[in-house]
Amino acid sequence: QVTLKESGPALVQPTQTLTLTCTFSGFSLSSSGMRLTWIRQSPGKALQWLARIDWDDDKFYSRSLKTRLTVSKDSSKNQVVLTMTNMGPVDTATYFCARIRDGGYFFDYWGQGILVTVSS
Amino acid sequence: QSVLTQPPSVSGAPGQRVTISCSGSSSNFGAGYDVHWYQQLPGTAPKLLIYDNNNRPSGVPDRFSGSKSGTSASLAITGLRAEDEADYYCQSYDTSLSDWVFGGGTKVTVL
Repeated sequence: QVTLKESGPALVQPTQTLTLTCTFSGFSLSSSGMRLTWIRQSPGKALQWLARIDWDDDKFYSRSLKTRLTVSKDSSKNQVVLTMTNMGPVDTATYFCARIRDGGYFFDYWGQGILVTVSS
Repeated sequence: QSVLTQPPSVSGAPGQRVTISCSGSSSNFGAGYDVHWYQQLPGTAPKLLIYDNNNRPSGVPDRFSGSKSGTSASLAITGLRAEDEADYYCQSYDTSLSDWVFGGGTKVTVL
């Protein structure tokens, strides 16, 4: 059974760096073809893809946020970490991690999401 | 403004058929990338509903179907039920942006 769960702070101050962790089970990110991604959803708004990390440690970022994002993995712990620098109120959103289907271009399993509010 | 364009809302009576359109461009659908659909019930994470244009994951009722033609795609729900009230998002990959892209979402209301 594949599960993913996001963890991290619920509240972040403006200009701070956000660090989120996705802990997953039911698959190994060390297995060839496995990929995991981060997606966010601002309140009442659409989904926005943020970043992706692959089994071979290849990393890809949203063009609009590339300079602020870093994604990394610890396959031994079944965890992926996303950091986003210089947080602002517009970054208030629910952040999801999701698995990308092996060989596909879609997200077959999602975490429950974590709401992060940026406010002083 | 989303790369993929969806109507903000559609509605139908129980038992009716509704369709949700998703308009793309030559850099996503037109470039050969497939469309995928997600259902998001209130307060929950999106759930994969249709993948690779017209495939249903295990457990998704056959009341849901998808199609894609050229730079447009659509999701159809037949035999509309109260539990289908949700937001629906289309998704693809855009080669000019090198980004995975979503539609703005469509809220389905069962009258």
